Amino acid sequence: DARVTQTPRHKVTEMGQEVTMRCQPILGHNTVFWYRQTMMQGLELLAYFRNRAPLDDSGMPKDRFSAEMPDATLATLKIQPSEPRDSAVYFCASGLVDLREQYFGPGTRLTVT
Amino acid sequence: GENVEQHPSTLSVQEGDSAVIKCTYSDSASNYFPWYKQELGKRPQLIIDIRSNVGEKKDQRIAVTLNKTAKHFSLHITETQPEDSAVYFCAARWDDYKLSFGAGTTVTVRA
Repeated sequence: DARVTQTPRHKVTEMGQEVTMRCQPILGHNTVFWYRQTMMQGLELLAYFRNRAPLDDSGMPKDRFSAEMPDATLATLKIQPSEPRDSAVYFCASGLVDLREQYFGPGTRLTVT
Repeated sequence: GENVEQHPSTLSVQEGDSAVIKCTYSDSASNYFPWYKQELGKRPQLIIDIRSNVGEKKDQRIAVTLNKTAKHFSLHITETQPEDSAVYFCAARWDDYKLSFGAGTTVTVRA
């Protein structure tokens, strides 16, 4: 049963520190999404990759957030510097363009103090 | 972009009763509407979806209906059970492959 994996599962850091979250999409999937989930804003799309190329990162604060796919098996989301308002659960999801369904990873719960 | 509104935000039902969640969307070009279930502390998981060329789809106790003219779609859960307690999200696909999610409905099934 193939699944999207994410590391770390939990991260507590101090304001101003760099945070890196990693995602391993399901092998063979050619689309990757980063979402942020908070009580106030719900599920928000941050970035979207197809075949490792970034197609849309309009949901991301550009000054502090960056998303990359160094290879087909790894997607990263970095926050530098982190702020308390970045506290949220960050989900990665992957899918196939032709098959519509997005499969979510377990999420990274980030707390910035 | 696509704007998805979801109602109600919370829903409490007696075990065995039905639950209905409604969503509306703004982009008439949207053509795919999934529903996700998220249990506390877990990942969202797809439970049912419907494409724009279909008006209704059913899978055991859950069903989804779509009215493209009115731009709304609904999730129906019949014979609710305690394990149906979770947050349910509707979504609409737009702009190639992006999903916009509703705000979620917290469903509580009372035993």
